[in-house]
Amino acid sequence: LAKTTQPISMDSYEGQEVNITCSHNNIATNDYITWYQQFPSQGPRFIIQGYKTKVTNEVASLFIPADRKSSTLSLPRVSLSDTAVYYCLVGPLRNSGNTPLVFGKGTRLSVIA
Amino acid sequence: AAGVIQSPRHLIKEKRETATLKCYPIPRHDTVYWYQQGPGQDPQFLISFYEKMQSDKGSIPDRFSAQQFSDYHSELNMSSLELGDSALYFCASSLGGSGGASDTQYFGPGTRLTVL
Repeated sequence: LAKTTQPISMDSYEGQEVNITCSHNNIATNDYITWYQQFPSQGPRFIIQGYKTKVTNEVASLFIPADRKSSTLSLPRVSLSDTAVYYCLVGPLRNSGNTPLVFGKGTRLSVIA
Repeated sequence: AAGVIQSPRHLIKEKRETATLKCYPIPRHDTVYWYQQGPGQDPQFLISFYEKMQSDKGSIPDRFSAQQFSDYHSELNMSSLELGDSALYFCASSLGGSGGASDTQYFGPGTRLTVL
């Protein structure tokens, strides 16, 4: 599995755009990039997933450069409720599904009023 | 929408006792995963089941066992509990077989196990 490196923590003010970058230099051809969010004492929650270029949903955007050695999760106009730990996961997804998640060290985002 | 249900939400046990955690996946989900998250730690994969068969095994101690039943609910059995087993135990479910990028896992609220 590709090793990932993220900042340990980040601070942001409400209303700002937050970009969290994840490095995964040894990403494999069949690896996907997935981000999960975890609030204290709650289970992780899927945010977004991508393979290349840009993916956007109602919560976030994921930017993946052509070499795929890094990716950036972008959260537009964060609010206090976005304070959480954000995990970047990189690994293959089986055609049959049921792929276990391998969590590394996440980024603790603190949003300040 | 229905979510993953875990019971109990909190459990306190003494060392060397046993514990059973239960997980009820989202309806029609056939894959269940168990994760352990120690205090200040990141979630660690323990074991998973697809269609009632074990599909993957992670860092699950030999003292622990799990199974998935015919109604797709799963139980994690923990014996000879140690202080280090104190953690949040999350269950997640997904619709296995859909594969690829659509294989999203949905986590339950967790069971907080405290071993005294």
